[in-house]
Amino acid sequence: AQTVTQSQPEMSVQEAETVTLSCTYDTSESDYYLFWYKQPPSRQMILVIRQEAYKQQNATENRFSVNFQKAAKSFSLKISDSQLGDAAMYFCAYRTYTGTASKLTFGTGTRLQVTL
Amino acid sequence: GAGVSQSPSNKVTEKGKDVELRCDPISGHTALYWYRQSLGQGLEFLIYFQGNSAPDKSGLPSDRFSAERTGGSVSTLTIQRTQQEDSAVYLCASSFRLAGEVGGVYEQYFGPGTRLTVT
Repeated sequence: AQTVTQSQPEMSVQEAETVTLSCTYDTSESDYYLFWYKQPPSRQMILVIRQEAYKQQNATENRFSVNFQKAAKSFSLKISDSQLGDAAMYFCAYRTYTGTASKLTFGTGTRLQVTL
Repeated sequence: GAGVSQSPSNKVTEKGKDVELRCDPISGHTALYWYRQSLGQGLEFLIYFQGNSAPDKSGLPSDRFSAERTGGSVSTLTIQRTQQEDSAVYLCASSFRLAGEVGGVYEQYFGPGTRLTVT
């Protein structure tokens, strides 16, 4: 079974600075998807960025980028120029590429605080 | 267009009572998922519906939990004889996926969840 580990329960960053959230996972599959979701106090899970395992190039979405190390099974999220609105819980998630069941397996989350 | 909606937003119930949680997926989405988020935990998969196929119930924690999806749209998650450990946020998500298709991103869109408190 796949597992996802987020070892940082809480992180803090100053506004306009850069922060990196860590995620490691365990799988025996070669093709899969990885995601970062943001959950603000409203509880709505919002997709921040995704990475296909077969792509070597790291995904980027505006101020958000990932460092995907397939051999190390590591998938960290970098937030540049942090903004107050970035404060939220961030979850790393895994999804198998094949098969009919496409459930997401989540880590336990990292709470990000953004300070002035 | 409208996103995934869930009702009620919050539910407080007494131990031993039954509760029903409702999810309205995005119109046209064929797949529907239920997840549970306990305090300090990540999301835990409960059940997955895909079109008219038999649901994947592998994540349901006990036989007190059941879910149905009527007409391929609205879904209801029922918890019988609630226990205090059932207290959590229950999140629903939907995605579009063709039957039998594998691979693909099938991005899941989440609702705002129902916070269930069992006293």
